[in-house]
Amino acid sequence: DIQLTQSPSFLSASVGDRVTITCRASQGFSSSLAWYQQKPGKAPKLLIYDASTLQSGVPSRFSGSGSGTEFTLTISSLQPEDFATYYCQHLYSYPLTFGGGTKVEI
Amino acid sequence: QVQLVESGGGVVQPGRSLRLSCAASGFTLRSYGMHWVRQAPGKGLEWVAVIWYDGNNKYHRDSVKGRFTISRDNSKNTLYLQMNSLRADDTAVYYCARDRRGSGYYPDAFDIWGQGTMVTVSS
Repeated sequence: DIQLTQSPSFLSASVGDRVTITCRASQGFSSSLAWYQQKPGKAPKLLIYDASTLQSGVPSRFSGSGSGTEFTLTISSLQPEDFATYYCQHLYSYPLTFGGGTKVEI
Repeated sequence: QVQLVESGGGVVQPGRSLRLSCAASGFTLRSYGMHWVRQAPGKGLEWVAVIWYDGNNKYHRDSVKGRFTISRDNSKNTLYLQMNSLRADDTAVYYCARDRRGSGYYPDAFDIWGQGTMVTVSS
């Protein structure tokens, strides 16, 4: 199974900050990676797919990059509505695993 | 609008069964692969199973293999998860989610999610 390790697991930031979350994979898999945002009590929301493609309707302050074993999610200027937990997910082989999550708090 | 609505969750004793349903609206279920994902209280996301658009291919994670079965009724635009021999560690919110890839058998990102249904396994 491919293991995904997110860092940091917790991040304290302010409105306007640039935030970067890293997702490291136990083995490489090209660009088959997605990022999701989840707010308390809500379902996850797709932000990025194919490592760097922005999902329709997602603000352009979100961006993704990387390939192989290291991927990043960047929020260029953190907004109040961005305080949430973020998960990466690989789509390369079964089982499809998620990272442990990164909670972004004020 | 495009929507998934889960139902069927509840409190069940260990060893018993439960069937979850996921009703799709605003799109044709038969055109998409569909997944179940679960989230134990206070924990992260865990993929459970996938069934492809035509129902001919499906995969389950090892920890539920032989106990859970994913299925679909395209005529009813509904996805199911039959859960047998439930254990305490199956306690979670269960989400159904749409694979953004249409036809084909390779997974892609999950672009539409339901609101989730809670399953509690406890004596």
